[in-house]
Amino acid sequence: GAVVSQHPSRVICKSGTSVKIECRSLDFQATTMFWYRQFPKQSLMLMATSNEGSKATYEQGVEKDKFLINHASLTLSTLTVTSAHPEDSSFYICSARSLGEQFFGPGTRLTVL
Amino acid sequence: AQSVTQPDIHITVSEGASLELRCNYSYGATPYLFWYVQSPGQGLQLLLKYFSGDTLVQGIKGFEAEFKRSQSSFNLRKPSVHWSDAAEYFCASSYNNNDMRFGAGTRLTVKP
Repeated sequence: GAVVSQHPSRVICKSGTSVKIECRSLDFQATTMFWYRQFPKQSLMLMATSNEGSKATYEQGVEKDKFLINHASLTLSTLTVTSAHPEDSSFYICSARSLGEQFFGPGTRLTVL
Repeated sequence: AQSVTQPDIHITVSEGASLELRCNYSYGATPYLFWYVQSPGQGLQLLLKYFSGDTLVQGIKGFEAEFKRSQSSFNLRKPSVHWSDAAEYFCASSYNNNDMRFGAGTRLTVKP
């Protein structure tokens, strides 16, 4: 099946710094990727839809200037958490769509001190 | 707007017992329906999905789910639970496999 990777798998940063998370489709091309956030013991919440070559579509309540998404190629989407704060600590999961199905990455655990 | 409800936050079953996890969806048209499993600190693994056709869907690891339009439900079942099935289970729906919405999840504990 299709494989999606995320890098890094875990990151710890200081408050005020920016963190970039990469999402790659390893064996297929994805014009559309999705970014989710999952707080401890909670469900996944869709943050934004990333479209190759165009601007991302953000869900209501998600700050687009804080969560910068770039989908520069058919196999890579990046999420940059700018000026991270402790409340941004979460598990970030991406998915990529292929042949009508979404494939999920393993997630990135972000801890902001 | 579409939504997914998983009424049970936590379920405990004995190893070898049968399992049913409930899921209800709310949407005007029949959505695509999915069940995922997540182990602690891990990503999501797809157990099974329903797009159309046969309403009883077979998945991996011995799981199955039945789509019931009249009840707007897509419950997950397994006849005999193994200790390794302990995890968090998420039901999800999407319209045309875009914009996936997840239920709150059901945590499964398996007693020896």
